[in-house]
Amino acid sequence: GNSVTQMEGPVTLSEEAFLTINCTYTATGYPSLFWYVQYPGEGLQLLLKATKADDKGSNKGFEATYRKETTSFHLEKGSVQVSDSAVYFCALSSQGGSEKLVFGKGTKLTVNP
Amino acid sequence: DTAVSQTPKYLVTQMGNDKSIKCEQNLGHDTMYWYKQDSKKFLKIMFSYNNKELIINETVPNRFSPKSPDKAHLNLHINSLELGDSAVYFCASSPGTGAYEQYFGPGTRLTVT
Repeated sequence: GNSVTQMEGPVTLSEEAFLTINCTYTATGYPSLFWYVQYPGEGLQLLLKATKADDKGSNKGFEATYRKETTSFHLEKGSVQVSDSAVYFCALSSQGGSEKLVFGKGTKLTVNP
Repeated sequence: DTAVSQTPKYLVTQMGNDKSIKCEQNLGHDTMYWYKQDSKKFLKIMFSYNNKELIINETVPNRFSPKSPDKAHLNLHINSLELGDSAVYFCASSPGTGAYEQYFGPGTRLTVT
């Protein structure tokens, strides 16, 4: 079945540091890939997405590229801010199946001033 | 205007009770979902409805019964609550059953004592 594996947290960085959160997936066909962010006490919000190989999703300084050859969708940001502290979830949605989102286990990021 | 709303935000109850959580979306979406997030932040889909029809029913105890009176509402009723039901329950919606972005509600934190 479909699955998503993302790096275990927690991740603690200083402000302006470079961020990478690794995400790899297993899926049949050609899934769409997503990064969601959950700020403390809130629901999940879509951060970015990519729907086909080599697509790059970007938003708020975050980027992720859909790499079919390595089945990866790593999240990166060049300079994190304290306000980026949150839990980040990688997810995939398969086409032609039950169209449900399958989530990774989440990575908690804390950015210190 | 809240896109996906849930009530209540917090629910504390005793084992054996029956409780309901309500969800409403004003996005005009056709598809709605219930997710359970455990204490380790792991998210798992429970149910999905498309135009009031159940399309996803994961391995969930039959004490959990979703009901969709119309496509803007999806409620979750839980009978005979158990300690292990304590979690945050998220409602979400999407435009359809394809690989679309899902919009999440703020969550309902259920605590069973």
